[in-house]
Amino acid sequence: GESVGLHLPTLSVQEGDNSIINCAYSNSASDYFIWYKQESGKGPQFIIDIRSNMDKRQGQRVTVLLNKTVKHLSLQIAATQPGDSAVYFCAETPPGDKVIFGPGTSLSVIP
Amino acid sequence: NAGVMQNPRHLVRRRGQEARLRCSPMKGHSHVYWYRQLPEEGLKFMVYLQKENIIDESGMPKERFSAEFPKEGPSILRIQQVVRGDSAAYFCASSPAMDTQYFGPGTRLTVL
Repeated sequence: GESVGLHLPTLSVQEGDNSIINCAYSNSASDYFIWYKQESGKGPQFIIDIRSNMDKRQGQRVTVLLNKTVKHLSLQIAATQPGDSAVYFCAETPPGDKVIFGPGTSLSVIP
Repeated sequence: NAGVMQNPRHLVRRRGQEARLRCSPMKGHSHVYWYRQLPEEGLKFMVYLQKENIIDESGMPKERFSAEFPKEGPSILRIQQVVRGDSAAYFCASSPAMDTQYFGPGTRLTVL
């Protein structure tokens, strides 16, 4: 079946730099997208979401960008901190269907 | 408003025993999802339930695994006759509708 994929399985970033985590989704009908953060030994935590009628949404230090033309989703983290080290999952929701999670990207912040 | 609760957090079973994992959704959430996660891997969907109904169990093995979400009480994921390959983290998530899912802390099952 269709699935969400990530371009970079691992990412290392210097503390203070900006991080960009990318995600490709397959179902052009998906209308709701979510980014989750999972720290070691914990459950995934909701970070930010975006609906398909938007192309950008900002939170605290995080921005999600949606490009429906190329079916691409990205998560930008400003001024990356050691506490941002985690695995990040993108997820897409086709209408009337369950959420599909990507395989995850591991972000390591170098002090 | 308490988040999604799962218990036990850690469960150790010997091969052939039964494992029961419990999930209490957030207040007001009637949708429950179970996922399995192996170390260094992503989330694998298992089953989606609403109160008293299994909506989608396409990700759940047909043998030994079962799930329920009764009218009263938590959702239960039951694994009978556990094998070593069942060792994993099992996460429950809940949502008020088919959108944002909120996850519990997980149950880490170890089969000896």
